[in-house]
Amino acid sequence: ETGVTQSPTHLIKTRGQQVTLRCSSQSGHNTVSWYQQALGQGPQFIFQYYREEENGRGNFPPRFSGLQFPNYSSELNVNALELDDSALYLCASSPAPTGFGYTFGSGTRLTVV
Amino acid sequence: AQSVAQPEDQVNVAEGNPLTVKCTYSVSGNPYLFWYVQYPNRGLQFLLKYITGDNLVKGSYGFEAEFNKSQTSFHLKKPSALVSDSALYFCAVRDSGAGSYQLTFGKGTKLSVIP
Repeated sequence: ETGVTQSPTHLIKTRGQQVTLRCSSQSGHNTVSWYQQALGQGPQFIFQYYREEENGRGNFPPRFSGLQFPNYSSELNVNALELDDSALYLCASSPAPTGFGYTFGSGTRLTVV
Repeated sequence: AQSVAQPEDQVNVAEGNPLTVKCTYSVSGNPYLFWYVQYPNRGLQFLLKYITGDNLVKGSYGFEAEFNKSQTSFHLKKPSALVSDSALYFCAVRDSGAGSYQLTFGKGTKLSVIP
């Protein structure tokens, strides 16, 4: 049973650029949730994807968008990067869209300069 | 709206002593409560959860937590701390109401177990 894999592990982008982060869900999981963890803070819910559709969103602007693919992997896209977007982005897969049974990846550390 | 407060940024405890990491919550309905642990450069690992039933919940690695509805608290405990327990601990809450699937996390408490 494979866990949740996120790529890349680290990246540095310039303000105004766009970035795509990727997440492979755990085998048997059909739901992917994305969280942003700023330095010294707890994770904040960005959105959740279930069966290739967004079915929940936190308090994040539309420049944060995502996709889920038929194999349940997912992408997080952020346009027009701002300095405050610098954070650890965590992907969590789960067997259902309930908030239970999360398996988290190790995260992608995004630095915006 | 749902929220979590972890009043201590850091907790220091001697190895072998009992440890407590505090958490209080606020939800409009009934709470589902969780504890996660984060080691450096790693994602979050699930420790335990409270859904319903017995107020004392036992989880991984000898951790347990006590749900107190009147005090809206869900403190994490362990009878005897290990150096390897040193990590960042997050409490999270989810409202049990339909459609409320997102977890709201506290800011985290750094636990340091001193040899």
